[in-house]
Amino acid sequence: DIQLTQSPSFLSASVADRVTITCRASQGISNYLVWFQQKPGEAPKLLIYAASTLQSGVPLRFSGSGSGTEFTLTISSLQPEDFATYYCQQINSFPLTFGGGTKVEIK
Amino acid sequence: EVQLVDSGGDLVQPGGSLRLSCAASGFTFSDYYMDWVRQAPGKGLEWVGRSRDKANSHTTEYAASVKGRFSISRDHSKNTVYLQMNGLKAEDTAVYYCARDQMGSYVMDVWGQGTTVTVSS
Repeated sequence: DIQLTQSPSFLSASVADRVTITCRASQGISNYLVWFQQKPGEAPKLLIYAASTLQSGVPLRFSGSGSGTEFTLTISSLQPEDFATYYCQQINSFPLTFGGGTKVEIK
Repeated sequence: EVQLVDSGGDLVQPGGSLRLSCAASGFTFSDYYMDWVRQAPGKGLEWVGRSRDKANSHTTEYAASVKGRFSISRDHSKNTVYLQMNGLKAEDTAVYYCARDQMGSYVMDVWGQGTTVTVSS
């Protein structure tokens, strides 16, 4: 199985900060990497797929990059509604797997 | 409007069975892959299984943790996908979400609201 390791697992940031979350895969997955946002009590929301393609309707302050085994999610200017937990997921091979999550909290 | 509505969650004893439902609307159900994902209390997301589209004969894939105990099926007359869960264990306690896979990219673009399964005596 492909393991995904997210770092950090927790980060504290202020509104307007630039935030970067890393996701490392245990083996190469090309660009088959997806990012989700989840708020408490809600279902996950698709943000980015194919490592860097922004899902329709997602604000442009979100961006993704990477290929192979190392990927990043960047929020260029953190907004109040962005405080949430972020998960990466690989869809390269079964079983589909998720990273452990990164919780972004208000400093 | 594209929508998924999850239902069927309940409190069940270890070893018991339960069937979850995911009612789809606003899209041609048979043309899409559908996934089930779960989230144990306070934990991260875990993929459970997938049902492919009609073109791929609705074949299925499962996580090792549920293979042989869980099965996914569809009722096209009701636009509903089911997760049949047998031999339930305490570690199956979670919120279960169904999700639609976006055509072409096979990423989960629409999610149900989730339904809670608690396995306890």
